[in-house]
Amino acid sequence: AQKITQTQPGMFVQEKEAVTLDCTYDTSDQSYGLFWYKQPSSGEMIFLIYQGSYDEQNATEGRYSLNFQKARKSANLVISASQLGDSAMYFCAMRSAYSGAGSYQLTFGKGTKLSVIP
Amino acid sequence: SAVISQKPSRDICQRGTSLTIQCQVDSQVTMMFWYRQQPGQSLTLIATANQGSEATYESGFVIDKFPISRPNLTFSTLTVSNMSPEDSSIYLCSVEDLGQMNTEAFFGQGTRLTVV
Repeated sequence: AQKITQTQPGMFVQEKEAVTLDCTYDTSDQSYGLFWYKQPSSGEMIFLIYQGSYDEQNATEGRYSLNFQKARKSANLVISASQLGDSAMYFCAMRSAYSGAGSYQLTFGKGTKLSVIP
Repeated sequence: SAVISQKPSRDICQRGTSLTIQCQVDSQVTMMFWYRQQPGQSLTLIATANQGSEATYESGFVIDKFPISRPNLTFSTLTVSNMSPEDSSIYLCSVEDLGQMNTEAFFGQGTRLTVV
């Protein structure tokens, strides 16, 4: 079974500072994908960044980067130069096991609530 | 990418009634999914809805409680039947086109349901 663990229920960061949100995962599959989503208070889920298990380079998307440490099974999200609009819930997710319903099931962690302080 | 319109965005319902949530996509997609997010919790997959076949439900979810329709490749509905306060959650529809390992999922805006 696949499992995602986010150990930080809440985090605070000063505006313009960088912040790291932790994510560890567990899977017996060799091939898997890791995702980060942002959920503002409005409720929608916004895709931020993707890392494949065979990707040798850490993924980057603008101010978002993923610190992928495969041996430690961690996929931490780094947000640089935090902005007030970054205040939201952040979910780490993994896709590995084939669900049998035509897709690789997406499993989410419990999330981290990030608050950016002016 | 896909643009998803989910309706209603929120509702307050009486226990024992049913609510149907609609999910409209601006392009044809193979895979549609329904998730539940209970207050302060993560997303839990309810079912996978592929066009032309019965929805596939995850453990703990049954068709009588959460009937799903998928009449075409751009539309799906989820009904929450015989509601109780425990059904108060955000319900999200999600779409993927290829069901591949590296495919990102696109989500609707969610439906905030409160059952009183």
